[in-house]
Amino acid sequence: NAGVMQNPRHLVRRRGQEARLRCSPMKGHSHVYWYRQLPEEGLKFMVYLQKENIIDESGMPKERFSAEFPKEGPSILRIQQVVRGDSAAYFCASSPDGHGYTFGSGTRLTVV
Amino acid sequence: AQRVTQPEKLLSVFKGAPVELKCNYSYSGSPELFWYVQYSRQRLQLLLRHISRESIKGFTADLNKGETSFHLKKPFAQEEDSAMYYCALMAGGTSYGKLTFGQGTILTVHP
Repeated sequence: NAGVMQNPRHLVRRRGQEARLRCSPMKGHSHVYWYRQLPEEGLKFMVYLQKENIIDESGMPKERFSAEFPKEGPSILRIQQVVRGDSAAYFCASSPDGHGYTFGSGTRLTVV
Repeated sequence: AQRVTQPEKLLSVFKGAPVELKCNYSYSGSPELFWYVQYSRQRLQLLLRHISRESIKGFTADLNKGETSFHLKKPFAQEEDSAMYYCALMAGGTSYGKLTFGQGTILTVHP
C-alpha cells in the first residue's frame, strides 16, 4: 500500500491562474480530509469528504475554492484565480472510518 | 469552538535531558487528543493518542481534563527526536473526524 499520494509535490502558479491539487487516499479509505498550512501557522482544516459527498466544508473559503471526491479517481482541491495569499502547504489525509488518519506528503503551492 | 494552544514555538534540550512539550486545549465536550510528529522532509505521522494510553518511542502524554492539557513528555531525549510536533484535538458530534491543530513546536535535541 503506497500510502496517501499527493501530487504535485510543488506547484507554482501565477496570480489569476487555477491550481489543482490531487490526493489519492490509501486503498480502502473512503474518508478524505484537506488541511492548509500557511507560513508560520499550524494546519487548518478545510474540508471533509466521503465518496461523492462533501460532509463538512466549514474551513473552506467561500469563494474560489472547491473540492470533490468522485466515485472513481483521486480527490481534487481546486483553487480558481489564485492570489499570493493562497501560497501554502496543502495536506490531504485519509481514513477508513474517520478515526485513524494517514497524511500525505503535501503539495506546496507558490503563487507568483 | 475548539482551540489548541502550543505555547512554545521552539524548544531546545540536550541529549539525555527530559523534555516536555506543552499543549492546552479548549473544548466544552469530551475531546479526543493526539500528538503528531513531522520529521525533516517526511510526512506528518501519528505519534500517540490519549485513548490508547500507549508509550511510543519513549513518549507519553496524559490528558488532564482539570487543566485542559495534554502535554507530551519523554524522560531522556534523543537526537533523533528532533522534529516538529503538533498537538491536535478531535471534537465529537458533527465535527467528527475533523482535527484542530496547535501551531506546532519545533524540538531540537543537541548532542
